[in-house]
Amino acid sequence: DAKTTQPPSMDCAEGRAANLPCNHSTISGNEYVYWYRQIHSQGPQYIIHGLKNNETNEMASLIITEDRKSSTLILPHATLRDTAVYYCIVRVAFGNAGNMLTFGGGTRLMVKP
Amino acid sequence: DAGVIQSPRHEVTEMGQEVTLRCKPISGHNSLFWYRQTMMRGLELLIYFNNNVPIDDSGMPEDRFSAKMPNASFSTLKIQPSEPRDSAVYFCASSLSRSNEQFFGPGTRLTVL
Repeated sequence: DAKTTQPPSMDCAEGRAANLPCNHSTISGNEYVYWYRQIHSQGPQYIIHGLKNNETNEMASLIITEDRKSSTLILPHATLRDTAVYYCIVRVAFGNAGNMLTFGGGTRLMVKP
Repeated sequence: DAGVIQSPRHEVTEMGQEVTLRCKPISGHNSLFWYRQTMMRGLELLIYFNNNVPIDDSGMPEDRFSAKMPNASFSTLKIQPSEPRDSAVYFCASSLSRSNEQFFGPGTRLTVL
């Protein structure tokens, strides 16, 4: 799987948008970008994924650059409960390897009042 | 659905003792994963089962670790003998094959004295 690079930590004011960047410059054509988060003392939680188009769901939006070498996860109105470690993961779409996740260091997002 | 169930939630044992961690995946899911999380190494995939068959165990640290999945609703991760460096939080996750989302359990915090 392609390596991802994320800033180790970020702060965000409550109610403001949180924009979490991820670089994946070696991503290949059959690899998706996934985002998970881990709230303290809990298991990781799926947020969103995408291939090349921007995606939005009830939790967040995912913006992938045209060359697919980077992406940004957007939490439109961050709340204190969004304080967590956010992981950007690139994984293949097919085969048994497509089921496996490789977690990096992630970004620790602190939402402040 | 109750989600992925793990037991025990906390385990404290002495070096040399056998430790067995248990996981009940979400009903209907056919992929199961065991992860280990430490401060030093982050979140690591240990082993992955598909349809009760181990597909990738390359993350299992050594022969002291073994995992089984006797049926679709139960899996165990055993450490024998345990060592202090095995102290970590162990997560179990399940998913449908090639699904976009893995569902994680609450984890078992293992302390080996």
